[in-house]
Amino acid sequence: GAGVSQSPRYKVAKRGQDVALRCDPISGHVSLFWYQQALGQGPEFLTYFQNEAQLDKSGLPSDRFFAERPEGSVSTLKIQRTQQEDSAVYLCASNYDLNTEAFFGQGTRLTVV
Amino acid sequence: AQRVTQPEKLLSVFKGAPVELKCNYSYSGSPELFWYVQYSRQRLQLLLRHISRESIKGFTADLNKGETSFHLKKPFAQEEDSAMYYCALTRAGNMLTFGGGTRLMVKP
Repeated sequence: GAGVSQSPRYKVAKRGQDVALRCDPISGHVSLFWYQQALGQGPEFLTYFQNEAQLDKSGLPSDRFFAERPEGSVSTLKIQRTQQEDSAVYLCASNYDLNTEAFFGQGTRLTVV
Repeated sequence: AQRVTQPEKLLSVFKGAPVELKCNYSYSGSPELFWYVQYSRQRLQLLLRHISRESIKGFTADLNKGETSFHLKKPFAQEEDSAMYYCALTRAGNMLTFGGGTRLMVKP
């Protein structure tokens, strides 16, 4: 594809609702990262996949957050029982391999009301 | 723990003036440093990385290990340089740790 694609671009969820955010990385990219960017702050690491293996999930803020990449391509970030503090832009990035340039998607802006 | 600090939230300069966006980091080891840029309504993209020692769009950044700094500089700012700039570091090609970002506004 032309780049990293994320959907939806915008999501409004009622507090307590479950949401699923999708990331389509660049074809052939092995590494995939999720970041959370709160308003006025820089992106913060959530989790990292190498192919289908989730190698680091140390940044996930609570057990309500879950990510998967079952076939080593598309990834989904799921947030259960959303809270207002989950409101943020969620960014996905992919690399061909470690030590190569990370390409970012346009992000999903989640607003929890 | 690794940390990146960008002390200025906003930097406003006139076109043609020199620009310096400050970045300081803390990391016990040899990190790799980057500058990312986000233009209005566009995605975050890599501007430059310290190991390549390139000048991109007239911007340069030198890693100063003694001062643990990686300031971004441009001698003559252009209006099209207006954007959000993020300094970031990574170790061993793993995840990026970003600073809080600096909004650069270049006035005509």
